[in-house]
Amino acid sequence: RKEVEQDPGPFNVPEGATVAFNCTYSNSASQSFFWYRQDCRKEPKLLMSVYSSGNEDGRFTAQLNRASQYISLLIRDSKLSDSATYLCVVRRGSGNTGKLIFGQGTTLQVKP
Amino acid sequence: EPEVTQTPSHQVTQMGQEVILRCVPISNHLYFYWYRQILGQKVEFLVSFYNNEISEKSEIFDDQFSVERPDGSNFTLKIRSTKLEDSAMYFCASLALLANKETQYFGPGTRLLVL
Repeated sequence: RKEVEQDPGPFNVPEGATVAFNCTYSNSASQSFFWYRQDCRKEPKLLMSVYSSGNEDGRFTAQLNRASQYISLLIRDSKLSDSATYLCVVRRGSGNTGKLIFGQGTTLQVKP
Repeated sequence: EPEVTQTPSHQVTQMGQEVILRCVPISNHLYFYWYRQILGQKVEFLVSFYNNEISEKSEIFDDQFSVERPDGSNFTLKIRSTKLEDSAMYFCASLALLANKETQYFGPGTRLLVL
């Protein structure tokens, strides 16, 4: 079983749509959770950290359910510039220095 | 904003040759990482490095791989005898442990093609 699983998509949505991505992780020792964004042939860039209480950053909302080992990302009012691959990432190990474990990524294509 | 830089951006090499991939982490960062991404696949952890020592390495990071911080600013990944399956994008990342900056910052990557 993959340690971090995501639906690869692609998700094709019109501008202005709301889209949700889901992710599950298998290792209950995972300590920290993130969503990264990766544009084609570019490096992963941090979109947002995910906290147990849920957190929001503008049009983006992330949720974490530790009991279900489930992470989600909601994007409201999609823009063309949101087109990218969204990577669900967990960090294992003590402290903040542990390795990052990446999901396969979910591809989003926002169309005019 | 400070950035992680990597050189070269692209490298083509023959199977069996040695390659050295270079990274300049953000200057006040203390923890360094290499990841790789084979085309069409997920990003995979290779190795982490702190205080001039390997902290952790993955199964991928076998005896053909080594890392070094030769001069206090560069962080290098060496592949001693490249194989076809080493073809991938290699990302360097660095981490500072500041109160509100607990995540790894990635460089733009080196695309390695082994022929």
